[in-house]
Amino acid sequence: QVQLVQSGAEVKKPGASVKVSCKASGYTFTSYYFHWVRQAPGQGLEWVGLMNPNSDYTHYAQKFEGRVSMTTNSSTNTVYMELTTLKSEDTAVYYCARIREAGYSSGWFAFWGQGTLVTVSS
Amino acid sequence: DIVLTQSPATLSLSPGDRATLSCRASQSVSSYLAWYQQRPGQPPRLLIYDASTRAAGIPARFSGSGSGTDFTLTISSLEPEDFAVYYCHQRSNWPLPFGQGTRLEIK
Repeated sequence: QVQLVQSGAEVKKPGASVKVSCKASGYTFTSYYFHWVRQAPGQGLEWVGLMNPNSDYTHYAQKFEGRVSMTTNSSTNTVYMELTTLKSEDTAVYYCARIREAGYSSGWFAFWGQGTLVTVSS
Repeated sequence: DIVLTQSPATLSLSPGDRATLSCRASQSVSSYLAWYQQRPGQPPRLLIYDASTRAAGIPARFSGSGSGTDFTLTISSLEPEDFAVYYCHQRSNWPLPFGQGTRLEIK
């Protein structure tokens, strides 16, 4: 069965960077796009960006351009999201999500990681 | 950018009631709309995609309808586990926004 397991909670100071991992199992890793979605405490869902683990193609929400990068390690079936120059407003749970349909960049998020809380505080 | 507006913000109902949640897009998204359910402390769960198709394992009491700019999620008879937050989401245009959510609470 498809599983996405994310790395543990992080506490960072303003201006620092954080790198969250998402390890996939139960299917052919390179066949499906990944997306990252975040949720600030008590708030709604916000799309961050996507990557194709087969080609390293990425597309980010304009809000995060220049501060976010998504990478992959196909040997370990892991995707990463790094966010730099952290601000207190970046405090949120960050989710990785796998698309339902193989080969679609903007499909539906059928599988989700458990979430990683990133706290930005001085 | 497309904006998704959900209504109402909060819906107070009792188990066994029928729930009707709305999502309006600022421009047409065709049928490229999904609904997600999120319970406290859990990631969202895909309920409905392509406006009206139930995702795998989703009970038949959940149904979706609409196209273009106006969409509805209906829960025919509420079960205790259905009280949660529901989000609509579109994939017609970047940057793939979500609605702000509707909280379904027990009356």
